[in-house]
Amino acid sequence: GENVEQHPSTLSVQEGDSAVIKCTYSDSASNYFPWYKQELGKRPQLIIDIRSNVGEKKDQRIAVTLNKTAKHFSLHITETQPEDSAVYFCAASYTNAGKSTFGDGTTLTVKP
Amino acid sequence: EAEVAQSPRYKITEKSQAVAFWCDPISGHATLYWYRQILGQGPELLVQFQDESVVDDSQLPKDRFSAERLKGVDSTLKIQPAELGDSAMYLCASSLEGLLDNEQFFGPGTRLTVL
Repeated sequence: GENVEQHPSTLSVQEGDSAVIKCTYSDSASNYFPWYKQELGKRPQLIIDIRSNVGEKKDQRIAVTLNKTAKHFSLHITETQPEDSAVYFCAASYTNAGKSTFGDGTTLTVKP
Repeated sequence: EAEVAQSPRYKITEKSQAVAFWCDPISGHATLYWYRQILGQGPELLVQFQDESVVDDSQLPKDRFSAERLKGVDSTLKIQPAELGDSAMYLCASSLEGLLDNEQFFGPGTRLTVL
């Protein structure tokens, strides 16, 4: 089955700096890669996703890049703000089946 | 905005007791997922339904866990008997069926504590 590894497990940055979280996956058949943000005590919420036919996607301060050859994808957050502090999860799945395998999460702390 | 509903939000039980969790997906979502999230880890898929049929239950401990979605709408996850190691957050999610519609929407979860 699919295996997703996520690094780092914790990340602390100063407000205004950039943050990068990286994930690798094992199954070359995976073609959908979402990123979820989970604030303390709340449900995971999708913040951005990318499909395997695209190399990069951007939404305001958030971007995701995908390298299919190397089987890794990354989340980039620019101009970080304290409200970006949360746990971020990456996932990999097959579009048709919809089954997602999640990474173990990265706890991002943005210091004011 | 429509959301996935789950109940109860919190459940405390003693080991060897039976517990049940309920999930109501977003209306029209054919696919329903049950995840277990242990503190400090990502969600782990327990079972996936497409309408009323089980698509994947390979990670479901079938000796004690069961799940059903009889009418293809809401779903129940049961644990009997509960063990100490079952303490976790149980998340339900739903998604539309189709090639481009597999964004998953999560419910608030049920936090289970087994004493």
